[in-house]
Amino acid sequence: GQNIDQPTEMTATEGAIVQINCTYQTSGFNGLFWYQQHAGEAPTFLSYNVLDGLEEKGRFSSFLSRSKGYSYLLLKELQMKDSASYLCAVRDGSQGNLIFGKGTKLSVKP
Amino acid sequence: DADVTQTPRNRITKTGKRIMLECSQTKGHDRMYWYRQDPGLGLRLIYYSFDVKDINKGEISDGYSVSRQAQAKFSLSLESAIPNQTALYFCATSEGGLYQFFGPGTRLTVL
Repeated sequence: GQNIDQPTEMTATEGAIVQINCTYQTSGFNGLFWYQQHAGEAPTFLSYNVLDGLEEKGRFSSFLSRSKGYSYLLLKELQMKDSASYLCAVRDGSQGNLIFGKGTKLSVKP
Repeated sequence: DADVTQTPRNRITKTGKRIMLECSQTKGHDRMYWYRQDPGLGLRLIYYSFDVKDINKGEISDGYSVSRQAQAKFSLSLESAIPNQTALYFCATSEGGLYQFFGPGTRLTVL
């Protein structure tokens, strides 16, 4: 079966660092995506990992370990505008469709 | 102009009515998708299309149908709407199945 797990909610302080974890068990794997979604808005692409290791893009970094079925999204120097849901999605190996986790709602407090 | 547009943005309808949600894209992407999003359940795939003549069922296609009228247009129909189809619906596009770009969403309420 297909299963993607991430925490439901997290809270962090402005200026701090937060790590959002994602574990997955899928029948195939062809990459892992992170999307950001503000309440009532469309998801927007943040990062993509297909090989093991860390991908850095400004304040955001994403890590992948394929052998462990594990990824995390690291957000540095948190800003109030980072308050949003963060969606982990695995691209399956057959049709290349995305399988989404239920999302982690991050609240950034002053 | 937005690359992926959805109409309507909000719709309230009654049980048993037929509803069509429309999606258009100017990105020239080959693949198009329809998802629904419910609180606590995340994004779930309803239908997807890799080309004009290619339509595939997703995880939750029952009660829905789609039409790919052109490469740029993909519409979702609810033949007889029911209250548990109340949700936020997103259209998405991709080129070759990699990055997916989402439309702004349609909030549908079925009374």
